[in-house]
Amino acid sequence: GDSVTQMEGPVTLSEEAFLTINCTYTATGYPSLFWYVQYPGEGLQLLLKATKADDKGSNKGFEATYRKETTSFHLEKGSVQVSDSAVYFCALSGAGKLIFGQGTTLQVKP
Amino acid sequence: SAVISQKPSRDICQRGTSLTIQCQVDSQVTMMFWYRQQPGQSLTLIATANQGSEATYESGFVIDKFPISRPNLTFSTLTVSNLSPEDSSIYLCSVEGPRGSYEQYFGPGTRLTVT
Repeated sequence: GDSVTQMEGPVTLSEEAFLTINCTYTATGYPSLFWYVQYPGEGLQLLLKATKADDKGSNKGFEATYRKETTSFHLEKGSVQVSDSAVYFCALSGAGKLIFGQGTTLQVKP
Repeated sequence: SAVISQKPSRDICQRGTSLTIQCQVDSQVTMMFWYRQQPGQSLTLIATANQGSEATYESGFVIDKFPISRPNLTFSTLTVSNLSPEDSSIYLCSVEGPRGSYEQYFGPGTRLTVT
């Protein structure tokens, strides 16, 4: 069945460092891909999405490109801030549902 | 995007009791979803609730343990029955985004601790 695999965390970075969180997927068909963010004590917020191959989703300085050839949707940000500390979930749409990766915790230190 | 609220935000319950979680949306939606997030884990879909029909449960979840009501297009409840410590989790409801987008918008979650 469809699945999503994310790099294990936690990822610890200093402020202004470059961020990459890897995400790969397995799916039949052509799913939409998403990144959600969960700040401490809160629900999930949609961060960005891409609906077809080579689409780039972007929001709040974060970017991810839908790569069909490598079945990947890696999340990147050029300069992280302490306020970016959260858990990041990669997800795909499959059979009308969202399928989530295991989540990656990002800790940004001043 | 829709604004979703959940009640209660957290609760501590005794083993063997039940907890009912409410989910309220500020606009009418066809599909609502209930998820469980066990400590340090990802989200697992419990069931999909459409107004006017029985909820559709995912493998491993049954109606007797997780009864769901969906009386109208803005409201749903999830009951977690016969609680055990293994039910300690965050329970989240979500709603579908714009038709065809496959997006979902999430409530803040209900943190349940079973003692």
